[in-house]
Amino acid sequence: DTEVTQTPKHLVMGMTNKKSLKCEQHMGHRAMYWYKQKAKKPPELMFVYSYEKLSINESVPSRFSPECPNSSLLNLHLHALQPEDSALYLCASSQVRTGFENQPQHFGDGTRLSIL
Amino acid sequence: AQTVTQSQPEMSVQEAETVTLSCTYDTSESDYYLFWYKQPPSRQMILVIRQEAYKQQNATENRFSVNFQKAAKSFSLKISDSQLGDAAMYFCAYRHGPSGTYKYIFGTGTRLKVLA
Repeated sequence: DTEVTQTPKHLVMGMTNKKSLKCEQHMGHRAMYWYKQKAKKPPELMFVYSYEKLSINESVPSRFSPECPNSSLLNLHLHALQPEDSALYLCASSQVRTGFENQPQHFGDGTRLSIL
Repeated sequence: AQTVTQSQPEMSVQEAETVTLSCTYDTSESDYYLFWYKQPPSRQMILVIRQEAYKQQNATENRFSVNFQKAAKSFSLKISDSQLGDAAMYFCAYRHGPSGTYKYIFGTGTRLKVLA
């Protein structure tokens, strides 16, 4: 069972739609991440939140808008996406406290997004 | 900038045999962590094994072990007694050391096929 839950598992949307991806974890992790993964490629980091504040934005287009309303929840709001944005979107979380440096990121199952 | 290289796009192994996946990385840092993640068709990234750079002893997790050569910047994964369930995409990942939000750098991946 995955400890990081992502919904929905699949999403098909038109280029003019607005939708949101949701990620939830209850492991007490204070860092949460969004990745984009194209087929047969490694995950590419998009955003990192630390203690509910955005700490890394990898120059992601503004049509992707992240939000971290609390320590357990991470959203990715989508608007006016392009066909090339079709991909698997992975959420991950990790500890950030001193003494937990060797702890890995825990990943969710991802949301498969298709843009028509 | 750090880089991670996986030179084997695809590998095959007979069931019950041993296979080694290679990974090299480039960094000027002395404090870092290395990980192997497995991604089966079910999509979730699953941690296989981790190695702290300051530890000389190679990490081992059941049938999985690493050969960590810090001076050569090499971090290979050995899978013993391969099972059909080991078939997946394997990603090597590098992470900077100090506590805080972590930026993983992934290799391009190696697809492992297990033959019955």
